[in-house]
Amino acid sequence: QQQVKQSPQSLIVQKGGISIINCAYENTAFDYFPWYQQFPGKGPALLIAIRPDVSEKKEGRFTISFNKSAKQFSLHIMDSQPGDSATYFCAASERGGSQGNLIFGKGTKLSVKP
Amino acid sequence: DSGVTQTPKHLITATGQRVTLRCSPRSGDLSVYWYQQSLDQGLQFLIQYYNGEERAKGNILERFSAQQFPDLHSELNLSSLELGDSALYFCASSVGQSPYEQYFGPGTRLTVT
Repeated sequence: QQQVKQSPQSLIVQKGGISIINCAYENTAFDYFPWYQQFPGKGPALLIAIRPDVSEKKEGRFTISFNKSAKQFSLHIMDSQPGDSATYFCAASERGGSQGNLIFGKGTKLSVKP
Repeated sequence: DSGVTQTPKHLITATGQRVTLRCSPRSGDLSVYWYQQSLDQGLQFLIQYYNGEERAKGNILERFSAQQFPDLHSELNLSSLELGDSALYFCASSVGQSPYEQYFGPGTRLTVT
């Protein structure tokens, strides 16, 4: 119930291409879906987040697509750059839940080739 | 820079020992969260404090404890350390009680030998 499943585990994209990372969840009470970017030796950095009342949110080259009926959401990185090479984590949380935390996917290691 | 600070950056200690990790949240944030990141388990929530009170508990071992002080900084105490406790420990903070918009610190890498 509490899992967030993320795929793929790793992704190689050419510079200028589109990177797509997918996540699926089971708990329909989740109401906040952020994406984090983590570089080696650093803490996760909040990249972009979406609530279930919208189907898409865009910030610069980063877009979240959200499909409430399918219980899936994805991160699209347009015009991928070598500097985007990092590990990306999707997450989900529930406002009123007693968990009080983010449930993270296992992460996707993105490599953007020049 | 998220504005969340953690010390120390690295910690090497022996099995059976006790260590304390420290976290200062972003200015204005009242919630502090602790997470453990390991290769096999990923990012796992340990515990949340809000304005000095324990708010939520995750997969935190009984050997681990935390507290949040009046100045809102938090400490995570790990005792009777085992090899399997070697991991990255992150602190995150947010404005309110709800787990939205959490900003993570740079982490403490704990190595138990």
